[in-house]
Formats: sequence, structure tokens, C-alpha cells
Amino acid sequence: DAGVTQSPTHLIKTRGQQVTLRCSPISGHKSVSWYQQVLGQGPQFIFQYYEKEERGRGNFPDRFSARQFPNYSSELNVNALLLGDSALYLCASSLELLMNTEAFFGQGTRLTVV
Amino acid sequence: KNQVEQSPQSLIILEGKNCTLQCNYTVSPFSNLRWYKQDTGRGPVSLTIMTFSENTKSNGRYTATLDADTKQSSLHITASQLSDSASYICVVSDTNAGKSTFGDGTTLTVKP
Repeated sequence: DAGVTQSPTHLIKTRGQQVTLRCSPISGHKSVSWYQQVLGQGPQFIFQYYEKEERGRGNFPDRFSARQFPNYSSELNVNALLLGDSALYLCASSLELLMNTEAFFGQGTRLTVV
Repeated sequence: KNQVEQSPQSLIILEGKNCTLQCNYTVSPFSNLRWYKQDTGRGPVSLTIMTFSENTKSNGRYTATLDADTKQSSLHITASQLSDSASYICVVSDTNAGKSTFGDGTTLTVKP
């Protein structure tokens, strides 16, 4: 049974460009969350989606956007990239939106902005 | 503002020894507390999850405790192995399912 899969695994972009990261949740999981993890720090919450609707948003600028598709996969888009956007972007899926539902993380996408 | 503070920031121990990692939080209203293990460059893997009514939970050589009154948790690792070398992250969720606060982690290095 496949876990949470993210693509691509690594990405190098230039300042000002746009990037799209993809996440496929565990089969049957309806909720997907996105996190940004800068080296040496814990993950910071960006978005949570459930049943294709945004259900939570962290303190990130409008350059960050996301969506969830009918098959529950998700995309995270970042526009006008800055050097500070360089980080490991993690996707987590959970069965439901319930408070105590277990969340499973993907391997992450390492984004480097030069 | 919800905060999760972990200590120590880093720890080096010898293989076979025990260690305890600490997590203090100010998240309110409390929903659950999770401990994750994160290997370098990989996604976090869940070790334990505890709700308000639970004060201890074990997963093999990992034992987590929770004191909801003092808002403290600890993760005890018994008989450490080289493969335990990783970052251990404490995550506290409030009753809003979309809001989880992550600590910055404790980096554990187990040496032979």
C-alpha cells in the first residue's frame, strides 16, 4: 500500500519564478495538509484541505496557494519565488478532519531558490 | 500565541544508553500531542499520539508522557540504537483540526 507521495523530490528555481508541488495522499484519505520546513526548524503549517475545500491556513503570504482535486490529490503553488522560500515542503494526509486523526507525511520536496 | 518549546536543542548519547526529551507547550484549547521522528531530509514519522485523558503511551522503546496540568510532555528512549539518530519533533494540536503547532525538534545523535 503506497504511502503519501510527493513530486518532484528536488527542485531548483530562480527568484521570481513560479513553482507547483504535488501530493498524492494515502488511498482513502480525504484531508491533505502542507507544511514548510526551513533547515534546523520544525515544520510550519501552510494549508489544510478537506473534501476539496480549504479548512485551515497558516501565516503565509498570498503568493502561496493550494487546491485539492476530486481524487483528493493536492497541489501547492508558490508565485514570485524569494530566496527565503528555499525549504523542504511536506505534505501530510489523514483519513478525516477529526482532531485526533493520525497524519502521515510524505518524503517532502526540497525546493532551492537561487 | 500557541507555542511549543523543546529541550534540549541537541543531545549526544552513547549506544545503549537511555535519554529523555522535553516538550513544553502553551497551545489552547488542547486537543492532542504527538511525537514524530524525522530522519535528515525525510518526512516525519509518527511515534505516539496522546489526548487529554492519556498520561503515558509506549511504542516499543519509546515512551511518551503527558501532564496536561503543567502542559509538559516527555519522550523517553530506552536502550538507544544508532538508528535512533534523528530529529524528534513535538506537535501540539488545538481543537481547530487545521491548526497544529510544531516544535523545532531535538536533534539526537547516538554514537557507538
